[in-house]
Amino acid sequence: QVQLQESGPGLVKPSETLSLTCTVSGGSISSNYWSWIRQPPGKGLEWIGSIYYSGSTNYYPSLKSRVTLSIDTSQNQFSLKLISVTAADTAVYYCARVTTVITHDVFDIWGQGTMVTVSS
Amino acid sequence: DIQMTQSPSSLSASAGDRVTITCRASQSIANYLNWYQQKPGKAPKLLIYAASSLQSGVPSRFSGSGSGTHFTLTISSLQPEDFATYYCQQTYSPRWTFGQGTRVEFK
Repeated sequence: QVQLQESGPGLVKPSETLSLTCTVSGGSISSNYWSWIRQPPGKGLEWIGSIYYSGSTNYYPSLKSRVTLSIDTSQNQFSLKLISVTAADTAVYYCARVTTVITHDVFDIWGQGTMVTVSS
Repeated sequence: DIQMTQSPSSLSASAGDRVTITCRASQSIANYLNWYQQKPGKAPKLLIYAASSLQSGVPSRFSGSGSGTHFTLTISSLQPEDFATYYCQQTYSPRWTFGQGTRVEFK
């Protein structure tokens, strides 16, 4: 059974870089797309971007200039870097597996989420 | 970007009630519409994909319908474990977007 686990600092200073890693267990990362989604406190879900095991990426336009996704197939991990953070980037960050059913993409497996607070 | 608008933003219901949540897209998305359920402090869970296909393991009291710009999620008989927030998501555009959520509360 595939499981995802986010890890990284829970507190980041304004203007610095937020870095998170998602570790995939129970299955290979060398298939599927993998995504990051975030949820500010008390608010809705926002897709950040997706990465394929080959390294190809797709980002949400409003974050594209600040986001980099990467993947390490040898470690079965993928990562998120978000530069120049502000308080608006405070959120629970989820990693998720993307599965394509016929032509429909779904987030079918999620990590438990990790809270990241941007504050000095 | 394709905007997804859910209504209502919240609703109060009792166990056994039939509940319907609506999701509208700002442009046609065919049937590229998913529904997720999220309970407090937990990650979202996939309920419905392709507008009307039930994800494996999801109870049959959940159903989805619609195409184009208008979609609905129906819970035929609300159970205590269904009190949660529900989100629609479009995957028609490469820039995936979610609705703002509908909170189902206990009356």
